Amino acid sequence: KQEVTQIPAALSVPEGENLVLNCSFTDSAIYNLQWFRQDPGKGLTSLLLIQSSQREQTSGRLNASLDKSSGRSTLYIAASQPGDSATYLCAVRYGGATNKLIFGTGTLLAVQP
Amino acid sequence: NAGVMQNPRHLVRRRGQEARLRCSPMKGHSHVYWYRQLPEEGLKFMVYLQKENIIDESGMPKERFSAEFPKEGPSILRIQQVVRGDSAAYFCASSPDWGQGFQETQYFGPGTRLLVL
Repeated sequence: KQEVTQIPAALSVPEGENLVLNCSFTDSAIYNLQWFRQDPGKGLTSLLLIQSSQREQTSGRLNASLDKSSGRSTLYIAASQPGDSATYLCAVRYGGATNKLIFGTGTLLAVQP
Repeated sequence: NAGVMQNPRHLVRRRGQEARLRCSPMKGHSHVYWYRQLPEEGLKFMVYLQKENIIDESGMPKERFSAEFPKEGPSILRIQQVVRGDSAAYFCASSPDWGQGFQETQYFGPGTRLLVL
């Protein structure tokens, strides 16, 4: 069964700290992996997409890495800000005709000013 | 280029009524996906459609739920005879046709929050 798990479920850090969010997936034959941000009552905003052939992607203060063999991805947020407070979701796409995403359970991040 | 649009944003129905959720994909996108987020749960895939075709409906409940994406107009997720357990946020996403090397990011709408009384 293809499952995606995220730890921790919740994280609270003071402003300015660097932090790492973890995502693991049971089936390593992924096509790509995507990190999203979800604000309360809102939709999802795509942050980074990593193809299966890539090891990492960077956008501003965000860096996502991918280790297919171990079934893991991390999202690194540098110099966190209160505006980073949100739920972070990772989602995996496997190959085949379907393009469906399998989502992790999410990490609720609170950055304290 | 407007993002993915969903309406209504909030929908209240009584048990036994029908709910119709609409999704207009981004301009130029011909792939639409519906996901459901139950309270205190993660997002679960429901159905994937490409213009006039259902590609994957493996996540759709077998009864009462249907989806379409006609040649013209928005995609519709229809829930007949709603029950309290259908209360959830329903998200639509779209993606463009892909070619070699094209990143197949899915762009999500703001969601429709369905409350069944």
